[in-house]
Amino acid sequence: DSGVTQTPKHLITATGQRVTLRCSPRSGDLSVYWYQQSLDQGLQFLIQYYNGEERAKGNILERFSAQQFPDLHSELNLSSLELGDSALYFCASSVVSTGYNEQFFGPGTRLTVL
Amino acid sequence: ELKVEQNPLFLSMQEGKNYTIYCNYSTTSDRLYWYRQDPGKSLESLFVLLSNGAVKQEGRLMASLDTKARLSTLHITAAVHDLSATYFCAVRTTSGTYKYIFGTGTRLKVLA
Repeated sequence: DSGVTQTPKHLITATGQRVTLRCSPRSGDLSVYWYQQSLDQGLQFLIQYYNGEERAKGNILERFSAQQFPDLHSELNLSSLELGDSALYFCASSVVSTGYNEQFFGPGTRLTVL
Repeated sequence: ELKVEQNPLFLSMQEGKNYTIYCNYSTTSDRLYWYRQDPGKSLESLFVLLSNGAVKQEGRLMASLDTKARLSTLHITAAVHDLSATYFCAVRTTSGTYKYIFGTGTRLKVLA
């Protein structure tokens, strides 16, 4: 158990809908990262937040958005869902953004879009 | 294009044998990560390598980094069945804004 929690574990929804994935980092970690894993695209970095501020951005679609709240939990919002958005979404956290910054991954949320 | 290439993609090896997984990357980077993923599970951090010539070892796994060649290796010594998993390398790019780019993964199967 990495100490990173994600909810829900599974989510099944329809095309065109909007969902919110939630992540709570390890105690003391200020940085949160979001990743998408699919058979087609492999592991893709989406976005990183550090202490509430966006720090780095990857291949995140405009239909997706994220934020980190003052209590350091983070949410990833996915809207106008398409079949191709079906994937495993991981959140990771690290103590800092620089230096060693080993990342600890949560168990993931499996999103199925029908 | 920012690329991280791993080879081999699939590796089937006998218990007790040694083997090396290679990770080549095409962009400037300030750190390299190795992860393990078991089927249906999340990623487990194995190593973070920061500098040229860095070598880290944990049990039967040893990772090294050559930043000049943009190459990292993950060496497996005397493989055991429990090491069967998919191994990913990833880099944090330093060209432009930071991004984390993952390799395609190496699926390792250790046969008894």
